[in-house]
Amino acid sequence: DQQVKQNSPSLSVQEGRISILNCDYTNSMFDYFLWYKKYPAEGPTFLISISSIKDKNEDGRFTVFLNKSAKHLSLHIVPSQPGDSAVYFCAAGGGTSYGKLTFGQGTILTVHP
Amino acid sequence: NAGVMQNPRHLVRRRGQEARLRCSPVKGHSHVYWYRQLPEEGLKFMVYLQKENIIDESGMPKERFSAEFPKEGPSILRIQQVVRGDSAAYFCASSHDKNTEAFFGQGTRLTVV
Repeated sequence: DQQVKQNSPSLSVQEGRISILNCDYTNSMFDYFLWYKKYPAEGPTFLISISSIKDKNEDGRFTVFLNKSAKHLSLHIVPSQPGDSAVYFCAAGGGTSYGKLTFGQGTILTVHP
Repeated sequence: NAGVMQNPRHLVRRRGQEARLRCSPVKGHSHVYWYRQLPEEGLKFMVYLQKENIIDESGMPKERFSAEFPKEGPSILRIQQVVRGDSAAYFCASSHDKNTEAFFGQGTRLTVV
């Protein structure tokens, strides 16, 4: 039972354009959502988070949008840079601890110069 | 200010041997989480520990796997009598408390031959 889904295995974007990564969830008990970035052979790096009481959170080039009625969140990266090329994981948590997370399968983002 | 340190980075074990994975959390963090990533999949939660206590082990296999986080020293994930299916990347994360973001280590890649 995949409670957090990232339906696009990969995304290719030109440098300077917007990257939009999507994530859907099914568990209404989730109240905290995060995006992590991961390079090969490294651990996930925290990017940005959003609480269920908000619908938008912005940090520099990264913005996360949350649509609770649709159980959908997205990560926007503007402008995209070649160094953003990595695997992006959506994760959801709540309840016991914000460190106990349910991860999506990941989306491979490639930003072309 | 060191991040989460995991060792070894790579571990090779023969079927039937024991694997011990170590995790030193960020200094000052008392909450530790272990995750496993199988090839082509997202990270899956295994266990959540706070100093000397197991808080949530709902993701741990019932047999052969155990975890501890003693008062002094690193957290240890122990896998007894390893099988080929245990081959995966094991990530440890730590947080200051249960309501803050968890930061991940670089992982231990276990290969069972």
